[in-house]
Amino acid sequence: AQKITQTQPGMFVQEKEAVTLDCTYDTSDQSYGLFWYKQPSSGEMIFLIYQGSYDEQNATEGRYSLNFQKARKSANLVISASQLGDSAMYFCAMREATSGSARQLTFGSGTQLTVLP
Amino acid sequence: SQTIHQWPATLVQPVGSPLSLECTVEGTSNPNLYWYRQAAGRGLQLLFYSVGIGQISSEVPQNLSASRPQDRQFILSSKKLLLSDSGFYLCAWSLTVMGQGYGYTFGSGTRLTVV
Repeated sequence: AQKITQTQPGMFVQEKEAVTLDCTYDTSDQSYGLFWYKQPSSGEMIFLIYQGSYDEQNATEGRYSLNFQKARKSANLVISASQLGDSAMYFCAMREATSGSARQLTFGSGTQLTVLP
Repeated sequence: SQTIHQWPATLVQPVGSPLSLECTVEGTSNPNLYWYRQAAGRGLQLLFYSVGIGQISSEVPQNLSASRPQDRQFILSSKKLLLSDSGFYLCAWSLTVMGQGYGYTFGSGTRLTVV
């Protein structure tokens, strides 16, 4: 079974509007971390936001917020006031406590976001 | 501050030729190190990870290998490249302390084309 599922291969949003990128995860661990990364066409992976499984508040970082619904195992990324520079591939990832000492991240398949002028 | 360097940025190699990609980390000690591969338009596939010098774990059987000769150096190699080795290779590091919330820091990547 997929550990991280991103069901939206591509999304379009009008500039200055908000957009939600979906992410669901599967784990039996009680302790885990959820991450979102942005990958522009240059290829670099840019860390955006983190949510710990024990965090009671939804994480926020500037225009990025994470809508964390633990019971539903979802960790959707919300981008407010979209900008043209937000056009990129977005990856959801999870790090489980039982993934061993290396603490590997497992990535979803990504969502390609295009911001329209 | 910590930085990660990965080179070369792009590489075109003929089938059957050897490969060596290097990644170095500065500003931290005893990091976990990772090699990922990304096929065009796809997600990231973990290839190798290392928790210490000389300690390499392989996630996917293939004709690639990895080595960690120094604490902050991680090398991805192949003796004979295949067409299917083409892709975008990313090196990353993370802290080893449990509870560190900020995931990986990635290098800028190497775009490998095998022709």
